[in-house]
Amino acid sequence: TQLLEQSPQFLSIQEGENLTVYCNSSSVFSSLQWYRQEPGEGPVLLVTVVTGGEVKKLKRLTFQFGDARKDSSLHITAAQPGDTGLYLCAGARREYGGSQGNLIFGKGTKLSVKP
Amino acid sequence: ETGVTQTPRHLVMGMTNKKSLKCEQHLGHNAMYWYKQSAKKPLELMFVYNFKEQTENNSVPSRFSPECPNSSHLFLHLHTLQPEDSALYLCASSQGDLRGLTYEQYFGPGTRLTVT
Repeated sequence: TQLLEQSPQFLSIQEGENLTVYCNSSSVFSSLQWYRQEPGEGPVLLVTVVTGGEVKKLKRLTFQFGDARKDSSLHITAAQPGDTGLYLCAGARREYGGSQGNLIFGKGTKLSVKP
Repeated sequence: ETGVTQTPRHLVMGMTNKKSLKCEQHLGHNAMYWYKQSAKKPLELMFVYNFKEQTENNSVPSRFSPECPNSSHLFLHLHTLQPEDSALYLCASSQGDLRGLTYEQYFGPGTRLTVT
């Protein structure tokens, strides 16, 4: 069962355009993380959101956690070719019983920004 | 540079070979993870070590054998793999927590494995 749905799967835009990608679930997460992964490399953590309704900004990137902590969005303003990559969201669920490593990953949104 | 290194970066092996993947973290973390990343699939968690104890084994076939000698090093021993095991294998680390909470994970660059 895919718990985290990311949309769109693919996005190709021109430099300077704005875009939003989404991460949706029917499950509640204690926190949600966004990563960017470039070809041949591992994912790099961009941000963690914890509180429902929280908004975080990282330069031209704006991250929002839904009020119910079931969904999140990433908005990029004036996209640049350097933003190209696979954007992954990962939800953390607090498990009772001491089980570590409960990050659930979405399949990602593959973004291509053309100059 | 995330503070997590993996070697080798690329590996081609036959189905009868035995090889090992190595991961090292320089972040002072106590939890380490192995993930498998295949095309068109989300990242699949394979193993978790928290304070050197294995706490997760997500139904991974026995041809994959993890080893965590200390909190900075993690190995994945491979033997008699199948072509469908070809994938990017990612190591990650995070702050450990004996209560089982999940913290931000930092990934290495991965090992691109091809099984012929």
